[in-house]
Amino acid sequence: QVHLVQSGAEVKKPGASVKVSCKASGYTFISYDITWVRQAPGQGLEWMGWISAYNGNTNYTQNLQDRVTMTTDTPSSTAYMELRGLRSDDTAIYYCARGGCSGGSCYPLFDYWGQGTLVTVSS
Amino acid sequence: DVQMTQSPSSLSASVGDRVTITCRTSQTNYIFLNWYQQKPGRAPKLLIYGASNLQSGVPSRFSGSGSGTDFTLTISSLQLEDFATYFCQQNYTTPPVAFGGGTKVEIK
Repeated sequence: QVHLVQSGAEVKKPGASVKVSCKASGYTFISYDITWVRQAPGQGLEWMGWISAYNGNTNYTQNLQDRVTMTTDTPSSTAYMELRGLRSDDTAIYYCARGGCSGGSCYPLFDYWGQGTLVTVSS
Repeated sequence: DVQMTQSPSSLSASVGDRVTITCRTSQTNYIFLNWYQQKPGRAPKLLIYGASNLQSGVPSRFSGSGSGTDFTLTISSLQLEDFATYFCQQNYTTPPVAFGGGTKVEIK
């Protein structure tokens, strides 16, 4: 069975950084991209970007590309999303999901999701 | 950037009702359209991919249709467990992924 398990909730001050992890199991990690999506309280879904677990290619949304870095660690089948320079409007639930089109093969759907990680930015 | 417009933004329905949600995209070239269900406090769940393909394990009362710029999600007979928010999502856009604003299905 495919599972994506994310790290726990975080509370950060404005200007700080946060790094969320997403540990995959039940499939060949390098065969799929990992996508990151966030959802502000009571709002819709916002695509943040994706990373190829095969070669590390990334594609970030334009409005976050200066502050976000996505990485993977193949031996542990874990993906990471780091967001720097946190602001109050970064308060959201952050999800990882399997799927994406970072280059090479494309899997244009998100079929398994992590449970979400609440990141709260508050002074 | 592509614009994806879902309608209605919310609706009230009763168990057994037929429910239709629409998604219109501003993109006119190749579309790969997916639908997700999200319940409060839970991650989204893939229901339909490629406009009309039912994801494994999803009940057959859910169906998707459409082409070009207009797509539809239909629930043929609404069940209690279907009260949730539904999102459409498109790939191959600029930016590469776009989500609709969501449709909240509530109990009448």
